[in-house]
Amino acid sequence: ETGVTQTPRHLVMGMTNKKSLKCEQHLGHNAMYWYKQSAKKPLELMFVYSLEERVENNSVPSRFSPECPNSSHLFLHLHTLQPEDSALYLCASSQDPPGTRVTGELFFGEGSRLTVL
Amino acid sequence: GQNIDQPTEMTATEGAIVQINCTYQTSGFNGLFWYQQHAGEAPTFLSYNVLDGLEEKGRFSSFLSRSKGYSYLLLKELQMKDSASYLCAVKDSNYQLIWGAGTKLIIKP
Repeated sequence: ETGVTQTPRHLVMGMTNKKSLKCEQHLGHNAMYWYKQSAKKPLELMFVYSLEERVENNSVPSRFSPECPNSSHLFLHLHTLQPEDSALYLCASSQDPPGTRVTGELFFGEGSRLTVL
Repeated sequence: GQNIDQPTEMTATEGAIVQINCTYQTSGFNGLFWYQQHAGEAPTFLSYNVLDGLEEKGRFSSFLSRSKGYSYLLLKELQMKDSASYLCAVKDSNYQLIWGAGTKLIIKP
């Protein structure tokens, strides 16, 4: 139990569907992250939020839309995805602000395994 | 470009010692992390090195040489539960995390 909970754990969707991934952290952290993990590839940072404000968007296609309504919750809205978007989507949080000298370890959720047909 | 290199897969025997290497070429260096990720589970933090030398934490140790752009994770007295992927990540000059692709460690009885 890492203190970061992701739902659903598995999701299968067609290219025309709209779905959302949810992340909740119970650690009182102020920064939250979305990462994409594909087999045998490095983690790809997608979005970063600090105190509910988006601070980074790493050239992610617009078919991925993040939402951070408060410091404990993070969503990733998905629409008209492509088969190459199939991957494990990991949510993480950190106590310290992102991208700083003091930013320490990340606390990850178990991920949402997404399959796009 | 920035790059982190780790072996894709390693195999070791229960009770033995294994060393997982990580070499990096990044724009600056502000620390190196190791994470463990069991299949289907969350990556979890193992260690953080910012100064040269060896940091020991139970059966796991992590070593850093900044001049060589090199780190390793040493696992002693291997147990079956150590079968997992091990991720290396470097914090660059902009304090951004650069990740390796991970090393899948298989432990055999």
